[in-house]
Amino acid sequence: DTEVTQTPKHLVMGMTNKKSLKCEQHMGHRAMYWYKQKAKKPPELMFVYSYEKLSINESVPSRFSPECPNSSLLNLHLHALQPEDSALYLCASSQVQTGRYEQYFGPGTRLTVT
Amino acid sequence: SQKIEQNSEALNIQEGKTATLTCNYTNYSPAYLQWYRQDPGRGPVFLLLIRENEKEKRKERLKVTFDTTLKQSLFHITASQPADSATYLCAPRQGGKLIFGQGTELSVKP
Repeated sequence: DTEVTQTPKHLVMGMTNKKSLKCEQHMGHRAMYWYKQKAKKPPELMFVYSYEKLSINESVPSRFSPECPNSSLLNLHLHALQPEDSALYLCASSQVQTGRYEQYFGPGTRLTVT
Repeated sequence: SQKIEQNSEALNIQEGKTATLTCNYTNYSPAYLQWYRQDPGRGPVFLLLIRENEKEKRKERLKVTFDTTLKQSLFHITASQPADSATYLCAPRQGGKLIFGQGTELSVKP
């Protein structure tokens, strides 16, 4: 199974809401990633987890809070977002040592903040 | 500062021709470079990885080259098909992470 699943597929939330994005993989990968992608732009790295520990935070605002409860699951908790946070949020996984191995991406969650 | 540049314009080619996409990087020396394909509204899909000690890598109709002197990678699709139409992203490894170029939109006309 080489699939990364993400839920929900679409999410509309107000600026005062709290919501979570979920990501799951069963490939035994111990590195997992969150990316943000705006229209016509490349994916921008937000967070990297390696062996369930946060190893990279690309200076992401605290209204985004990642969590890795186990080696198969990755969550992104959202609170008090701004309209400019509307984007496609992509989860990916890979073997550890980022860059030496291919990353498998999920289909993304399309987030709209109203 | 470190920079990645891909073909700035969209690339339009005729079916059956070879598409050549360019990825240039400046001010760093990645040990690995990856290429991905992305269709609208979907996540990127891995295509090829090339290491700094490899000059060329092939997979079916795809070929990638890596010139560490020129700081450039070229990505070729031979015998292109309309189904190859997509955005292609290069992603050199830097500082333990992949940094994606802005992508080249390829359109293959029948």
